Amino acid sequence: GQNIDQPTEMTATEGAIVQINCTYQTSGFNGLFWYQQHAGEAPTFLSYNVLDGLEEKGRFSSFLSRSKGYSYLLLKELQMKDSASYLCAGIDSNYQLIWGAGTKLIIKP
Amino acid sequence: ETGVTQTPRHLVMGMTNKKSLKCEQHLGHNAMYWYKQSAKKPLELMFVYSLEERVENNSVPSRFSPECPNSSHLFLHLHTLQPEDSALYLCASSQVIGSGANVLTFGAGSRLTVL
Repeated sequence: GQNIDQPTEMTATEGAIVQINCTYQTSGFNGLFWYQQHAGEAPTFLSYNVLDGLEEKGRFSSFLSRSKGYSYLLLKELQMKDSASYLCAGIDSNYQLIWGAGTKLIIKP
Repeated sequence: ETGVTQTPRHLVMGMTNKKSLKCEQHLGHNAMYWYKQSAKKPLELMFVYSLEERVENNSVPSRFSPECPNSSHLFLHLHTLQPEDSALYLCASSQVIGSGANVLTFGAGSRLTVL
């Protein structure tokens, strides 16, 4: 079956760095998305990776290893506003999105 | 208005009621989606409309009935729901160009509670 695994919850300190991991098993692979969802708000697009390597966008970076079925989202210089859920979604051979259950990130002062 | 707008934001209904959720996108996208989001569970795709035609219905119970009158509007009609249908219902839109990965733009959701 198809599956996306990511930790349920993580805690980090303001100003620090946190890495949110996502492992995937999909029938074929056409890339991976990361979305951010603040409580009570819409999920918003963060990144899309289809090739191996690291893509950097300001304080946020996303990494993909296709051979390992693994991705991570790296958040640097954490701010209180980064407290949110982070959703990982793999894209299978039919371009269907396979979603993880999300990682709730709690930032402490 | 910009982006994807959903109304109502909160809805409480009894099991015998009939209600509707509304979604409107102001992005000129050609595809719209309904997702169900339950706590600590992955997003569940319910319905997809592309160019106003339903292209996917993931074994959703008939008590949920979608309607897409045009490319900007999407409804989810609800009747005789069960308490387990209580969840956040998210609408999304995207621009589909051939096959390929499409970035979804989501609305803030309608929080449904079935008593």
